[in-house]
Amino acid sequence: ELKVEQNPLFLSMQEGKNYTIYCNYSTTSDRLYWYRQDPGKSLESLFVLLSNGAVKQEGRLMASLDTKARLSTLHITAAVHDLSATYFCAATGYNNNDMRFGAGTRLTVKP
Amino acid sequence: NAGVTQTPKFQVLKTGQSMTLQCAQDMNHEYMSWYRQDPGMGLRLIHYSVGAGITDQGEVPNGYNVSRSTTEDFPLRLLSAAPSQTSVYFCASSYLGRDTQYFGPGTRLLVL
Repeated sequence: ELKVEQNPLFLSMQEGKNYTIYCNYSTTSDRLYWYRQDPGKSLESLFVLLSNGAVKQEGRLMASLDTKARLSTLHITAAVHDLSATYFCAATGYNNNDMRFGAGTRLTVKP
Repeated sequence: NAGVTQTPKFQVLKTGQSMTLQCAQDMNHEYMSWYRQDPGMGLRLIHYSVGAGITDQGEVPNGYNVSRSTTEDFPLRLLSAAPSQTSVYFCASSYLGRDTQYFGPGTRLLVL
């Protein structure tokens, strides 16, 4: 059964600093997703990583995928307050219809 | 496009009551799904559908029923609500199960 683990679960950062969120998954999955959720809101798609070595960037966020290590990372560069949110990674299971989410990383960026 | 819509936004039930959470999408997506979100546990898949007339169980299906009579609608039924079903419920849709999913605004359910 596919399991997805994120760490850290809580992250408090100073503005301007860099940090990385890690996402491990337990079985083969050829797609990895990153979503953002603001407090009390729904989820918004950030990235879909389709293959080994895939890297995608949007503003101060960069996501990468290593399928051999079953690891994805979300790197935050020069954090700003607007990035404060909960970030989820997710992967699809054996039939590509069964999506499993990590527990989420609650990011707080402080001035 | 309205995207994915859910009703109601908030509901209080008593133990044993039944209700239906509504979900609709206007993007002609084949894949629709229901998740529940509980603190510290991320989102867990309840049921999903890959097209009208086709549904399947996800990670936590017990206590919930679904049907898909049209492409647009995917209601979630709680037959006999229990306090353990207190949660935030999200409906999502995508072209295919492996595509990026679009989420509805969520329904907050409190079972007393």
